[in-house]
Amino acid sequence: QLQLQESGPGLVKPSETLSLTCTVSGGSISSSSYYWGWIRQPPGKGLEWIGSIYYSGSTYYNPSLKSRVTISVDTSKNQFSLKLSSVTAADTAVYYCAALYCGGDCYSVFLSWFDPWGQGTLVTVSS
Amino acid sequence: QSVLTQPPSASGTPGQRVTISCSGSSSNIGSNYVYWYQQLPGTAPKLLIYRNNQRPSGVPDRFSGSKSGTSASLAISGLRSEDEADYYCAAWDDSPQSVFGGGTKLTVL
Repeated sequence: QLQLQESGPGLVKPSETLSLTCTVSGGSISSSSYYWGWIRQPPGKGLEWIGSIYYSGSTYYNPSLKSRVTISVDTSKNQFSLKLSSVTAADTAVYYCAALYCGGDCYSVFLSWFDPWGQGTLVTVSS
Repeated sequence: QSVLTQPPSASGTPGQRVTISCSGSSSNIGSNYVYWYQQLPGTAPKLLIYRNNQRPSGVPDRFSGSKSGTSASLAISGLRSEDEADYYCAAWDDSPQSVFGGGTKLTVL
């Protein structure tokens, strides 16, 4: 059974870069059936998709965050990572990593959905 | 402001049937599948409905999804206290980007 776990600093200073890693267990990050993604949720607010990546390195980013976001994959460690630069207090949120399952081979990201999700990690931006 | 529009709240009594709506546009719901996620208090979201109306194994058949044009709905029949949660609709937009609704807080009275 696929499981995902986020890790990284819980506190980041304004203007610095937020870095998180998601470790995948119970399956291979190189599986053709999955994309991998990051979603965040500010305290008391709704969900916001940050971006997604395929094991080959193909990426899709939220246009509103694209200039500050980099998502990468490390197949040797079965991990994928998020970097968000120039953070402000508005980036304070619970950050979730998730698998995007395609129900078969992923020939299109449009056919995928988020399942399962990691437990989430709270990142606070404050000096 | 979310790309998909949901009512902020919904409520019902045990045993009732409630529906939650999700409105989008031709570039997201109108041309792609709709998904629904349930977020119980203090936990990560969980997949409830995929590809408009498909239930993952383990999700009770009290939950059902439908889509028509640029709108979708989640119906919960036989409402139970454990259904009290936040519900989010989602879809891919043609950009492509994944878009979510603002969430609906369901209260079981």
